[in-house]
Amino acid sequence: DAGVIQSPRHEVTEMGQEVTLRCKPISGHNSLFWYRQTMMRGLELLIYFNNNVPIDDSGMPEDRFSAKMPNASFSTLKIQPSEPRDSAVYFCASSFSGGAVQFFGPGTRLTVL
Amino acid sequence: GQQLNQSPQSMFIQEGEDVSMNCTSSSIFNTWLWYKQDPGEGPVLLIALYKAGELTSNGRLTAQFGITRKDSFLNISASIPSDVGIYFCAGQMMGDTGTASKLTFGTGTRLQVTL
Repeated sequence: DAGVIQSPRHEVTEMGQEVTLRCKPISGHNSLFWYRQTMMRGLELLIYFNNNVPIDDSGMPEDRFSAKMPNASFSTLKIQPSEPRDSAVYFCASSFSGGAVQFFGPGTRLTVL
Repeated sequence: GQQLNQSPQSMFIQEGEDVSMNCTSSSIFNTWLWYKQDPGEGPVLLIALYKAGELTSNGRLTAQFGITRKDSFLNISASIPSDVGIYFCAGQMMGDTGTASKLTFGTGTRLQVTL
């Protein structure tokens, strides 16, 4: 069975550029979560969706970050413009609605120079 | 955001030794989860706990849901080199159930096993 799929796995970009991270949740899961992981702050929840609707975006650091979920099988996290402090590993996770167990993707390692 | 207090932060142990780590919170949780993260990968679920006092095993791993609902423990018996990684606890707070399940994560325990 396919797990959560994320792309790209690695992204290196220059400050000021737009970055788009992509996620395909596990088929049948209707909750999707975006996390950021850094050494200093650990795992931080950025935003989560239920049935394609954003439920809580209070973790989004600033307006440069935006996330969409146009359908049940695809979500994007966009950073525009990117800054060096955005460098981190970004994870997508999915779950059944109402279930506590989340399944994580392999992550996207973002480096902003 | 809120994080759970997880200890120890790191451990160096010898192969064959038993390992214990724990997570505490000032808030009550109704679900506790334990994940392991290998380098370059996402966290993988090890054990899920749903009831206070519950004790659940998965091979050499055993986890317990504290009676107070404010803590959880993970034990690894007879450690092997592939146990190396970062272990995270995660909890779902009372009141977070419903249409989506937001989790609060611990700060992680980095485990290193020497031969």
